[in-house]
Parts: sequence; structure tokens; C-alpha cells
Amino acid sequence: GPKVLQIPSHQIIDMGQMVTLNCDPVSNHLYFYWYKQILGQQMEFLVNFYNGKVMEKSKLFKDQFSVERPDGSYFTLKIQPTALEDSAVYFCASRDSAETLYFGSGTRLTVL
Amino acid sequence: QQKVQQSPESLTVSEGAMASLNCTFSDGTSNNFRWYRQHSAKGLEVLVSIFSDGEKEEGRFTAHLNRANLHVSLHIREPQPSDSAVYLCAVRGNAGAKLTFGGGTRLTVRP
Repeated sequence: GPKVLQIPSHQIIDMGQMVTLNCDPVSNHLYFYWYKQILGQQMEFLVNFYNGKVMEKSKLFKDQFSVERPDGSYFTLKIQPTALEDSAVYFCASRDSAETLYFGSGTRLTVL
Repeated sequence: QQKVQQSPESLTVSEGAMASLNCTFSDGTSNNFRWYRQHSAKGLEVLVSIFSDGEKEEGRFTAHLNRANLHVSLHIREPQPSDSAVYLCAVRGNAGAKLTFGGGTRLTVRP
């Protein structure tokens, strides 16, 4: 099936640093999502993005978070500055015309 | 706010025996239901999508939706050890585009 690629698969950074998580969505998809999953817990919606804009976001999408997709390149999630509680696996998804979300394998973020 | 709950939290079945997983949701206007599977350290794989009451089959996976009872289930016919994974129910409400996930059911299929 369609593949969403996430780079890197694992990132370790010090608290307070900036981190950018990259997602290469399915090429003809227009809607993009980020979800957060803390180890052993539920997948939680962060944000969705369409036509260059944030359409919906949850309370987990703090002011330190931002998303963009400049010129059709990677869809990115930036966290600046990071906090310990940002440690989680972040999943990117893109959506097809049948409204099915296809997920990447996730980026495990560890904030020390 | 949409609440999605899955049961049981974990389930062990023998190879070839039917596996049944349950999901309840709180928003009765929801119109879009998906079952995903998550193998360890991997992304989510969509198994079956259902949009109206009744049954939808995709290979060995069958979803049943009863919106009046706020319930959607997944039945796996002839499960195999390779089906061992966490199964996630995802529901989209009538407003907005986000999917809300349940907490998952960890399925183990014994040879």
C-alpha cells in the first residue's frame, strides 16, 4: 500500500534544544497529520494540516510546536524548545481521497 | 469530546480460532470507522474501513458497526501467529477531520 516515510526513526536530544521531525507523505495526498504516542499509552491527535494551514489542533499541540510543508517537500513537526514530557513516538500520516489515513513507522523522540 | 474505548485490553487465541475485538465510541454522529494494526516498532496498517451500519469484510477481517449501540467490532477469521499485534479502533466524528483512537487490544495468536 501507500508508504509514508519518517526520518529519523530515533532522535535523542537535550531538553531545551530544538528538534525537527520529518515526514515524507504519500505523493498525491493533501491532508497531513501528526499523532503522539507515549510508551504504553493511547495514540493522541496533535494536529492536521491542509493547503498550508493548520486545520485542527489538540491541547497537546503546545505553543512550542509548529508544522509546515514548504514547497511540497517534507511535512515537518518542529518543537522549540523541547521538554522532558515531549519524549514519545511521533507518527505522521497522510490521507487519501477516501479519507483513509496512512501512517509512517514513527520517530521515537527521547528528550534527556 | 469523542471517547473511544476498546476491550479487551489483551486477548490470546489459538491459531485458527476466531478473534473478536470490541470498540465503543461516545459521539453518535460519528460516520467513519477504521481498524488499524500496529506491529512492534512499526507503523499502522489499515485493515478495514466502515461507514454505515452492518458488516464490511476485507479478506479475513470483518468489521461490524452498530451506531445506535455506539459499537464497532472486528472479527479475525483463522488468525495466524503473524496476526499478533496491537489492534486499534479509530473513529472520526461528524465535525472535523481528526481520527480519535482507542487504547488498543493486544492480540496474541498461539501456534
